[in-house]
Amino acid sequence: GAGVSQSPSNKVTEKGKDVELRCDPISGHTALYWYRQSLGQGLEFLIYFQGNSAPDKSGLPSDRFSAERTGGSVSTLTIQRTQQEDSAVYLCASSLGLAGGSYNEQFFGPGTRLTVL
Amino acid sequence: GNSVTQMEGPVTLSEEAFLTINCTYTATGYPSLFWYVQYPGEGLQLLLKATKADDKGSNKGFEATYRKETTSFHLEKGSVQVSDSAVYFCALTTNAGNNRKLIWGLGTSLAVNP
Repeated sequence: GAGVSQSPSNKVTEKGKDVELRCDPISGHTALYWYRQSLGQGLEFLIYFQGNSAPDKSGLPSDRFSAERTGGSVSTLTIQRTQQEDSAVYLCASSLGLAGGSYNEQFFGPGTRLTVL
Repeated sequence: GNSVTQMEGPVTLSEEAFLTINCTYTATGYPSLFWYVQYPGEGLQLLLKATKADDKGSNKGFEATYRKETTSFHLEKGSVQVSDSAVYFCALTTNAGNNRKLIWGLGTSLAVNP
């Protein structure tokens, strides 16, 4: 079946512009995670959704970052007033969540490479 | 807090050599431990996992044993192939609540030469 998809695959933007990154999780997966992969910082957790709720936003680096999820499916990560340090690969992962029992494998999308000039 | 430390790369080996990538962790409670792999141009894939102490995860000839006494989860393979060239990430999740966010090591790049 279809895996996790993300769009766009690449995004180049100018400093100060807003960007939206989209994630389509695997159908039926109730848990959704955003991570960021950047040089020198490795992989960092950003936010966790269970359904449409985000009980853990602790990884969002500043108030310029926000995310939402609608219909228990698609999620959008928005970065306002982008800065050069926002340049990274943004990864989305989904899992069965509460239905998956004690272990829930996360399946990753291919990522969106964001470059802020 | 929770953290993962893995050996820095890059690691360069000849085909059929023995591979070890060290990983140690700090965590409260009883975490689950994972190795993920990222092949060139591809997304992250789960390679293997262990959910409790003394468990051994294995897949594609790779193995790692969850050692609580040394807080380690070292990745090993007896005979690497060129196709194993990739970046390997050690990670953990705590098992408190439903949030299974992954805490990551920095990754180790492996290059296998023919």
